[in-house]
Amino acid sequence: NAGVTQTPKFRILKIGQSMTLQCTQDMNHNYMYWYRQDPGMGLKLIYYSVGAGITDKGEVPNGYNVSRSTTEDFPLRLELAAPSQTSVYFCASSSGTSGRHTDTQYFGPGTRLTVL
Amino acid sequence: DAKTTQPPSMDCAEGRAANLPCNHSTISGNEYVYWYRQIHSQGPQYIIHGLKNNETNEMASLIITEDRKSSTLILPHATLRDTAVYYCIVRAFNMEYGNKLVFGAGTILRVKS
Repeated sequence: NAGVTQTPKFRILKIGQSMTLQCTQDMNHNYMYWYRQDPGMGLKLIYYSVGAGITDKGEVPNGYNVSRSTTEDFPLRLELAAPSQTSVYFCASSSGTSGRHTDTQYFGPGTRLTVL
Repeated sequence: DAKTTQPPSMDCAEGRAANLPCNHSTISGNEYVYWYRQIHSQGPQYIIHGLKNNETNEMASLIITEDRKSSTLILPHATLRDTAVYYCIVRAFNMEYGNKLVFGAGTILRVKS
């Protein structure tokens, strides 16, 4: 299993440009999440999905959009990039089952985005 | 969600046990204690979790006090590769929105040779 993969690893955008951060998981997990991490800070949840076709906002959704057309993929769209969106973006997934192995999240390697 | 309090940083000698404390005095009965760590520039990595009993796996041990208001993550023989930020997170699983983790600042653990 590759686990959670993210592309691209690095990207520089100009203000006002748009892009899509890709996230794919091969563990057949129902739940997927997008976080951002600013320098020296903890992660903040942007959007999450509990299954294909179902998404919802997290703590910091403004300036982003998501879609979940398949179980495997959860792309994050940035429209009209702003310098405040300079951050490291992490995608994560979890099985969503309760019990002893309660919903461990598996994270991707991250995408480092700079908006100039 | 219950809030957690962790020391901002700790040092540990290589080969010794690293004991990382976490206070969660407002924890609810259905909330689990999770520990994740983040090695520089990488995505967070799950370490261990528990509800009320002590837990051990191949990476670490988790000791939860009887009143569940605090816990300690133990790395039994710390190595230089264990240098990372360690996050203690308290969370109840909910089928409606899964397990949205709330990350605080964590504890920076520096393992020194």
